[in-house]
Amino acid sequence: GAGVSQTPSNKVTEKGKYVELRCDPISGHTALYWYRQSLGQGPEFLIYFQGTGAADDSGLPNDRFFAVRPEGSVSTLKIQRTERGDSAVYLCASSLAGGTADTQYFGPGTRLTVL
Amino acid sequence: QQPVQSPQAVILREGEDAVINCSSSKALYSVHWYRQKHGEAPVFLMILLKGGEQKGHEKISASFNEKKQQSSLYLTASQLSYSGTYFCGTENNNDMRFGAGTRLTVKP
Repeated sequence: GAGVSQTPSNKVTEKGKYVELRCDPISGHTALYWYRQSLGQGPEFLIYFQGTGAADDSGLPNDRFFAVRPEGSVSTLKIQRTERGDSAVYLCASSLAGGTADTQYFGPGTRLTVL
Repeated sequence: QQPVQSPQAVILREGEDAVINCSSSKALYSVHWYRQKHGEAPVFLMILLKGGEQKGHEKISASFNEKKQQSSLYLTASQLSYSGTYFCGTENNNDMRFGAGTRLTVKP
């Protein structure tokens, strides 16, 4: 089956604009994670969904960031009033059920550049 | 708080061994190891769940010392395909924290 997919692969936007990043997890995976990765750094946790609900959003840096997963499958990460510091690769991962023993499978990421 | 990895980078000749360390200031419930090649997504290597647990896959293995809150990844007889950045992730209640990574370069 298909792995985790993310669209777009690249997004260039201007400071102050609104962007949406999409993640399509592996079919049947109930847990979905968003991370942000800056150059030379490890992935930084943003938010974790279990089904449709955000089980842990403690990693979202501020209220400009919001994510939804309305039907428990596809998720959208939304960034309002983008800033240059938001430029990074945004990674999505999914796992079968969530939890300590579960493997997270990562998508290829969306490279966001804010000019 | 993210785990600390060492070394930051290592260069090997094909066939040589390497050890990558991961330590945390917080109690560890599990340690996940991933490898990421440039421009690609992180790829899962293994999870360690119990103190003292050791796992292996071909010539890559790992140990987990729960008391010391540490894990080590062992790469033996390295191959060119092992090149990449290795990340450890420590998990607490589904909140995964990754280290800054160890860049491994294997040369012919």
